[in-house]
Amino acid sequence: QKEVEQNSGPLSVPEGAIASLNCTYSDRGSQSFFWYRQYSGKSPELIMFIYSNGDKEDGRFTAQLNKASQYVSLLIRDSQPSDSATYLCAGPLAGGTSYGKLTFGQGTILTVHP
Amino acid sequence: GAVVSQHPSWVICKSGTSVKIECRSLDFQATTMFWYRQFPKQSLMLMATSNEGSKATYEQGVEKDKFLINHASLTLSTLTVTSAHPEDSSFYICSARTSGSWEFFGPGTRLTVL
Repeated sequence: QKEVEQNSGPLSVPEGAIASLNCTYSDRGSQSFFWYRQYSGKSPELIMFIYSNGDKEDGRFTAQLNKASQYVSLLIRDSQPSDSATYLCAGPLAGGTSYGKLTFGQGTILTVHP
Repeated sequence: GAVVSQHPSWVICKSGTSVKIECRSLDFQATTMFWYRQFPKQSLMLMATSNEGSKATYEQGVEKDKFLINHASLTLSTLTVTSAHPEDSSFYICSARTSGSWEFFGPGTRLTVL
């Protein structure tokens, strides 16, 4: 079993809608998680990180962490065509600290159509 | 924000030759640098972790004699792909972090081996 899994996708939403991206993880001891956005042919860029149960909001983005259920999600409100990209969920490799090695999910391709 | 550069951004080489990729942290001192590889339509796979002044640690399945990593200073790490073959063609991405921070990714190097 992969340590971090993203099973949904590809995801297509209309402009202005809420896009919901999900990720599950296997190591219950994992502390922090990251969401990266990767445009085609480019390297990932950090969108958000979260280490506490509950929600964390930053502009149009909200990350949610549920440690009991071992899932992490990213909500994008008022989706724009420029949000079209692959979204990668990342967590600590082998239960390490948030500042150790990262392991990435497979990614979810999001397309926002006008 | 922290800036990480990579050089070259793309390289084409003949099978059997060696290719060196540089990763530099431009405005901070990176205590740790990571090297990833990403094949088309796949997620990032960690290859190795490099700490300044010490030997790199390689992930399982990554040949240390083929992928030589040198972390000569707090701002520079190099990855040399020795005796490259077409199956080594991939997108190589480095990241860097300082103590207590998260990773900042370089722009990536696209390697094509003919």
